[in-house]
Amino acid sequence: DAGITQSPRYKITETGRQVTLMCHQTWSHSYMFWYRQDLGHGLRLIYYSAAADITDKGEVPDGYVVSRSKTENFPLTLESATRSQTSVYFCASRPQGFDYQPQHFGDGTRLSIL
Amino acid sequence: QQQVKQSPQSLIVQKGGISIINCAYENTAFDYFPWYQQFPGKGPALLIAIRPDVSEKKEGRFTISFNKSAKQFSLHIMDSQPGDSATYFCAASSRQDSWGKLQFGAGTQVVVTP
Repeated sequence: DAGITQSPRYKITETGRQVTLMCHQTWSHSYMFWYRQDLGHGLRLIYYSAAADITDKGEVPDGYVVSRSKTENFPLTLESATRSQTSVYFCASRPQGFDYQPQHFGDGTRLSIL
Repeated sequence: QQQVKQSPQSLIVQKGGISIINCAYENTAFDYFPWYQQFPGKGPALLIAIRPDVSEKKEGRFTISFNKSAKQFSLHIMDSQPGDSATYFCAASSRQDSWGKLQFGAGTQVVVTP
């Protein structure tokens, strides 16, 4: 089925480790987004991308790196994980063009950093 | 600093009652106001959205009321059902932002009791 999938769904790691969260969408949407969800903060934008090799920082980018070599994939890497990065991470996508197009979200990755 | 302020943080309503969630914003460039619904373990999904050229939009039991002069908008859930128990996020974006980035409120957890 078409959609947006995130993997892994759950991840436990230790501080200082590198961890990569995967996001794959089958709609060929141009725009993709990474958010983190924390209680009391809602969803905060980490990074976003308009196309392959076009990315930009969002509200909370520090400690994160993204890449987009293919339209359908948008991995998020924590280069040296810290406890403050314990969160639920959501990937989203939407078609090109504003036209009030909604963002479609994956089911998230729950990341715990010990 | 959150650009969209949402209240209350949580609410409990009896089956058949009305749930009301309020959001306020400061950026007058915002011209698209979606509401997302999120169930536990799932990603947010678009519920209903409004543009500032109308003051109200209704879809089934869900209604958005919009007050442009006050820079406020609200979600009303009529005849609330236990299946409506979820977290609700308001959001806003601007046509001036070609990326269509969304600013989210902090979320409201709604519990509908039988």
